[in-house]
Amino acid sequence: QVQLVESGGGVVQPGRSLRLSCAASGFTSSSYGIHWVRQAPGKGLEWVAVIWYDGTNKYYADSVKGRFTVSRDNSKNTLYLQMNSLRAEDTAVYYCARGVLSFGNAFDIWGQGTMVTVSS
Amino acid sequence: DIVMTQSPDSLAVSLGERATINCKSSQSVLYSSINKNYLAWYQQKPGQPPKLLIYWASTRESGVPDRFSGSGSGTDFTLTISSLQAEDVALYYCQQYYSTTGTFGQGTKVEIK
Repeated sequence: QVQLVESGGGVVQPGRSLRLSCAASGFTSSSYGIHWVRQAPGKGLEWVAVIWYDGTNKYYADSVKGRFTVSRDNSKNTLYLQMNSLRAEDTAVYYCARGVLSFGNAFDIWGQGTMVTVSS
Repeated sequence: DIVMTQSPDSLAVSLGERATINCKSSQSVLYSSINKNYLAWYQQKPGQPPKLLIYWASTRESGVPDRFSGSGSGTDFTLTISSLQAEDVALYYCQQYYSTTGTFGQGTKVEIK
């Protein structure tokens, strides 16, 4: 079964760090770019970051640039989102999603999401 | 960054009637060398992740009912639900991936009148 499963969310104080994981199964994740998308409570979708299939390129939304870092371990079929200097406005459900080049990078597989709450 | 603007923010349509959602990008998302628009549509139901409906602006994802269709090119796009069903009540988002930083529209809520 092709799927992505996020983990690592939780409650964290402002200024602290958290690392999210995205485990891929049922497909070779090293063949796909993986994106992170977040959704604040009651709000719309915000694209956060992408790491290319081979890890050579990484891009970030301005709102997280310099604070968040994406990485991947293709040997484990796992992707990571390291989040530093967290702010209240980073509170959201974080999804990882598979981008398909032949679909114009549309996201065909999404995880169920993991909730991150930044609060003192 | 490319800004995506959807209209309306919400709409209520009777069962069996047509629903139309518009999406406008701040710059063209047409990759002219291959004549394809880097524009996708997603459906999101409460408590669920988004689901891909349409990519390349008009190509329906496998398994998506044919009452869903996408059209448009360049900067102006439309998602049409030809005959609204109860299970189509959801939020709908357009997204561009022409630039290296993908951006979503603000979403359109579709309800039953």
